[in-house]
Amino acid sequence: DTGVSQDPRHKITKRGQNVTFRCDPISEHNRLYWYRQTLGQGPEFLTYFQNEAQLEKSRLLSDRFSAERPKGSFSTLEIQRTEQGDSAMYLCASSLLLRVPGELFFGEGSRLTVL
Amino acid sequence: DAKTTQPNSMESNEEEPVHLPCNHSTISGTDYIHWYRQLPSQGPEYVIHGLTSNVNNRMASLAIAEDRKSSTLILHRATLRDAAVYYCILRGQYSGGGADGLTFGKGTHLIIQP
Repeated sequence: DTGVSQDPRHKITKRGQNVTFRCDPISEHNRLYWYRQTLGQGPEFLTYFQNEAQLEKSRLLSDRFSAERPKGSFSTLEIQRTEQGDSAMYLCASSLLLRVPGELFFGEGSRLTVL
Repeated sequence: DAKTTQPNSMESNEEEPVHLPCNHSTISGTDYIHWYRQLPSQGPEYVIHGLTSNVNNRMASLAIAEDRKSSTLILHRATLRDAAVYYCILRGQYSGGGADGLTFGKGTHLIIQP
């Protein structure tokens, strides 16, 4: 399968713990996005990378959140000191510059439950 | 940001055409109209996009009103696998959300009856 893959698919943690999600984009895609989705809502943009550079961060991305894409390939999203309000689906998407603008390829998401 | 308005839910019968409406009365001249869908327990999936002219692809057709203030996603023959949330999104030169600028609303929950 050559789509976007995310790991883990499900994570249950206790409040105050740190969690890390990994995203492997489609191999030639140079743009990578993180979104968050809560129940009944559409995905909300968190941050965006072009190659290894993090070019944009949403106001939703508090300082407990950090994302990296060290070699311009896979990316990690870490949440420190988790809170119950962080419970959501975290979606990763990738796209290729010069392909169809606005055509993002999404992974299946990582569902976080904070107890 | 230009916004879209979609019905919360729609119901259709299997093997019949489905017309999903989207209003975007504040659309600007440079805004593209994108449609994505999200199947249960999956990430969103690109369906189609257009600017001014109607568009067809293997998944669906997009009909854009002449004044561009509304559009309709057409599924020509719905199957049970088309049951999903369908998002109508305007993407401008800068819509927020990175270079590909997608801001999702709540979408339309499409229910397909066998």
